[in-house]
Amino acid sequence: DAKTTQPTSMDCAEGRAANLPCNHSTISGNEYVYWYRQIHSQGPQYIIHGLKNNETNEMASLIITEDRKSSTLILPHATLRDTAVYYCIVRVGGTSYDKVIFGPGTSLSVIP
Amino acid sequence: DAGVTQSPTHLIKTRGQQVTLRCSPKSGHDTVSWYQQALGQGPQFIFQYYEEEERQRGNFPDRFSGHQFPNYSSELNVNALLLGDSALYLCASSLTGRRLEDTIYFGEGSWLTVV
Repeated sequence: DAKTTQPTSMDCAEGRAANLPCNHSTISGNEYVYWYRQIHSQGPQYIIHGLKNNETNEMASLIITEDRKSSTLILPHATLRDTAVYYCIVRVGGTSYDKVIFGPGTSLSVIP
Repeated sequence: DAGVTQSPTHLIKTRGQQVTLRCSPKSGHDTVSWYQQALGQGPQFIFQYYEEEERQRGNFPDRFSGHQFPNYSSELNVNALLLGDSALYLCASSLTGRRLEDTIYFGEGSWLTVV
């Protein structure tokens, strides 16, 4: 079972910030939160990941709560090309395994 | 630097046939995972290969098998195809699997239609 829960769908006005929430209340101390998005059933595209600190790259920002039980992906200025399904996943692993379990994701629609 | 490449991109098979899908991981990566994604659903983990061995498997029947070669490339084989096997098959590559801060990269997938 997926270790994360996300809203099924969200809308965002073009040019505004899109804030996508994710709950991962059972995350363990060494497990990373990853965000991917998928456009028109192409392969998932990596966005950003983090462990406990907030992260920012050229695509987005990731805000992780202090207790690490939830996070928010922020697309600062959403464009129509950001319309996609966004997956928040927890990467679990150890010395002998490493996998990610996807949930259904959030379908983000950017509205003109 | 080539990313994850998969082949073929699309194929159509008949029920009962067998199919082989191929994946070349990103340069420098040694771990390959396979996922099945039905229309409208998130990707489902099939299995993972590392050092030419299957080390983790999801809830898929034995009809799904795989192989990893010494150059880290991988194949996914599905026998006795069912209509329900129609899906997008995704390959993901990563490094060693023990460094969780290393990014996992996905290929564009292989669309399989079973008729």
